[in-house]
Amino acid sequence: EIVLTQSPGTLSLSPGDRVTLSCRTSQTINFIYLAWYQQKPGQAPRLLISATSSRATGIPDRFSGSGSGTDFTLTISRLEPEDSAVYFCQQYASSPYTFGPGTKVEIK
Amino acid sequence: QVQLVESGGGVVQPERSLRLSCAASGFTFSSYAIYWVRQAPGKGLEWVAVISYDGGNKYYAESVKGRFTISRDNSENTVFLQMDSLRPADTAIYYCARAPEVRAALNHWGQGTPVTVSS
Repeated sequence: EIVLTQSPGTLSLSPGDRVTLSCRTSQTINFIYLAWYQQKPGQAPRLLISATSSRATGIPDRFSGSGSGTDFTLTISRLEPEDSAVYFCQQYASSPYTFGPGTKVEIK
Repeated sequence: QVQLVESGGGVVQPERSLRLSCAASGFTFSSYAIYWVRQAPGKGLEWVAVISYDGGNKYYAESVKGRFTISRDNSENTVFLQMDSLRPADTAIYYCARAPEVRAALNHWGQGTPVTVSS
């Protein structure tokens, strides 16, 4: 099983800040098999990024993804109040198709 | 527009069964894999099961293998999750989500249906 670790657990930042979220996989995966999701309270998750760096339809360009091997990053270039959420990474390289524990982003 | 609507959740006693449904509309259902993902109260996301576009391939998390069965009816645009021998640890919101194939990102999610396993 590929285990995903996310850091930090929680971030508290101000609007306009640059945000960097980390996702580490326990095994090397092909970059095409890593996704990021955003979940706001009381809502279903929403796909932000697939294949490490490909933004989903309708996702603002302040969200970007990068990485390879075992280290992947989601960056929010300029934090907006509506970005307050929990962010999960997921690998779909091999079953079980595991999720990371999430990073909570709070707005000051 | 794309819609996935889960139903069938509720309160059930341990060791009993429940069948969840995921009804799809607004896209070519038979071309997509469908996932079930659950989220226990206050916890993260846990992948449960996935079924390929034609039902030919099914995969399960170890925590549900042998107890849960995923199936689909492409004529009815619906995926099912039959949950047997339920445990309190199965208490969660259950989401269905679509993906272009089994090994692909989940690009649209339903709103979820809650399942509570309690005596």
